[in-house]
Amino acid sequence: DVKVTQSSRYLVKRTGEKVFLECVQDMDHENMFWYRQDPGLGLRLIYFSYDVKMKEKGDIPEGYSVSREKKERFSLILESASTNQTSMYLCASSLLTEAFFGQGTRLTVV
Amino acid sequence: QKEVEQDPGPLSVPEGAIVSLNCTYSNSAFQYFMWYRQYSRKGPELLMYTYSSGNKEDGRFTAQVDKSSKYISLFIRDSQPSDSATYLCAPLMDSSYKLIFGSGTRLLVRP
Repeated sequence: DVKVTQSSRYLVKRTGEKVFLECVQDMDHENMFWYRQDPGLGLRLIYFSYDVKMKEKGDIPEGYSVSREKKERFSLILESASTNQTSMYLCASSLLTEAFFGQGTRLTVV
Repeated sequence: QKEVEQDPGPLSVPEGAIVSLNCTYSNSAFQYFMWYRQYSRKGPELLMYTYSSGNKEDGRFTAQVDKSSKYISLFIRDSQPSDSATYLCAPLMDSSYKLIFGSGTRLLVRP
């Protein structure tokens, strides 16, 4: 079974904190993605990576950065958390036509 | 213009109805067209996909792509309460391109 694991299910952080969301996949997939999901807005792509140390901006990269030092791990970094970054964050890895998602991290910034 | 547009619904139908879910897209370079299903509090899971134009059937589900009009459809026959979920379309260019999703259509099948 493919497994994509996100480090936390729920997270509460204060405004201005640096936040790390970790994602690990065990299927040797080349591609990894970070999305946020908000009611009425669907899944919006923040960043993606199609190889180790490679990263590409998605549709809403502002306020975020990513790191992919190893193939199985893709980290999302909120440099200075703000309340408008309160959201559900979903990580995925893919083999061309099938993406496998983690369980999501519900982040609340207070 | 958004690369993929999808009516958010919600769509409420009685059990046994035929359901039609639709997306439009703007980039003619898309070649793969996926449908994902997301149950409440879960991540999306791939339901089915088609390559290029045409139809693909899988049990009660049929995916249809019309590249000339940039229109993607998912039909569900004999809908069941267990089909109640959010359905997201996802067109893809190739393996090194970003994977984007429509906003999702929330479907409720009433017993």
